[in-house]
Amino acid sequence: DVKVTQSSRYLVKRTGEKVFLECVQDMDHENMFWYRQDPGLGLRLIYFSYDVKMKEKGDIPEGYSVSREKKERFSLILESASTNQTSMYLCASTAGGTVSYEQYFGPGTRLTVT
Amino acid sequence: RKEVEQDPGPFNVPEGATVAFNCTYSNSASQSFFWYRQDCRKEPKLLMSVYSSGNEDGRFTAQLNRASQYISLLIRDSKLSDSATYLCVVIFSGTYKYIFGTGTRLKVLA
Repeated sequence: DVKVTQSSRYLVKRTGEKVFLECVQDMDHENMFWYRQDPGLGLRLIYFSYDVKMKEKGDIPEGYSVSREKKERFSLILESASTNQTSMYLCASTAGGTVSYEQYFGPGTRLTVT
Repeated sequence: RKEVEQDPGPFNVPEGATVAFNCTYSNSASQSFFWYRQDCRKEPKLLMSVYSSGNEDGRFTAQLNRASQYISLLIRDSKLSDSATYLCVVIFSGTYKYIFGTGTRLKVLA
């Protein structure tokens, strides 16, 4: 059974703090993704990675960076958190080689920036 | 125009009813199509892939119309447990990107 875990379910941070969101998958998937989900806007892709140390910007990368040092782990970093980054953050992974595979999601991290 | 569009609903239907959702996409080079289900405060999970010839999984039927650039999801004999948000997902050819619709909310009423 595929499992994608995220480091926190709920997180409250102050404006200006550096925030780390961790995602780990246990199925040896090549591709990993970070999304944010906001009411009325749906899921929007922040970054994705198709291999260790490889990353590509998604639709809304501004204010975020990522790190993928190991295949199973994909980290999202908010360099200086702002209130407009309050959102639900979802990590996902898929098997590699093709984009047509099912995406498996983690349970999400609800981040509040005050 | 959004790349993938869905009617947000909510669709309120009685138990046992048949309900259908559509999802339109803008890129004719789209390659793969999926329906995901998302329960309240939970992560999205794959409901079914959508194949060119249409496909069925129990009470659920998915269809693709490439000429009109939409996919559909039909749910027969609705159950209370079908209440959720249904997300349409499209992958454009030559990309890694999964494009999600904003979802259609379904409420099945007793």
